[in-house]
Amino acid sequence: AQSVTQPDIHITVSEGASLELRCNYSYGATPYLFWYVQSPGQGLQLLLKYFSGDTLVQGIKGFEAEFKRSQSSFNLRKPSVHWSDAAEYFCAVGVTGTASKLTFGTGTRLQVTL
Amino acid sequence: GAVVSQHPSRVICKSGTSVKIECRSLDFQATTMFWYRQFPKQSLMLMATSNEGSKATYEQGVEKDKFLINHASLTLSTLTVTSAHPEDSSFYICSASSGTGYSYEQYFGPGTRLTVT
Repeated sequence: AQSVTQPDIHITVSEGASLELRCNYSYGATPYLFWYVQSPGQGLQLLLKYFSGDTLVQGIKGFEAEFKRSQSSFNLRKPSVHWSDAAEYFCAVGVTGTASKLTFGTGTRLQVTL
Repeated sequence: GAVVSQHPSRVICKSGTSVKIECRSLDFQATTMFWYRQFPKQSLMLMATSNEGSKATYEQGVEKDKFLINHASLTLSTLTVTSAHPEDSSFYICSASSGTGYSYEQYFGPGTRLTVT
């Protein structure tokens, strides 16, 4: 079965600094990969997704992620963090034949200091 | 983007009672809805998948007689926790999709915090 690991439970960065959130997956083939953001009181919002093709994926709010098959990783990056980016970030994988089911990582809480 | 609502946002109930949580897609027709459960500092765990007009498909280990899911219309799914016990206390999240397959985005509700006393 597939699994997702987000090694960092909590990350603190200064506003304006760059950000990288790590995500590693375990699956025999290339999965569908997603990053979601959850703000307090809000539902999860899709930031970006990777299905195939270009391994560098651009998303909303200035985020991007790079699929690296050799490392089984799909790390999320942003060159300059804004205070409004403080939230919980979830990486998720989907696999074919599972009717759109998603397997989520445990999340990384991002704190932004001014 | 599409909006999914959940009601109530918080509920406290006594052990042994039943609680119903509603999930609505406000501006699109949701062919498929998903119910997740989230424990503190843990990931979202899929409980079941429901398609409009048909029975829900439950994940392994989820008691379908305890967590009753109804998806009677294209805009509404309900999760009823029957005979709730303190161990059922959790954060329940629904999502909705206008189709089957990963090309159809899942839109998530804000969640319902259930506390069983």
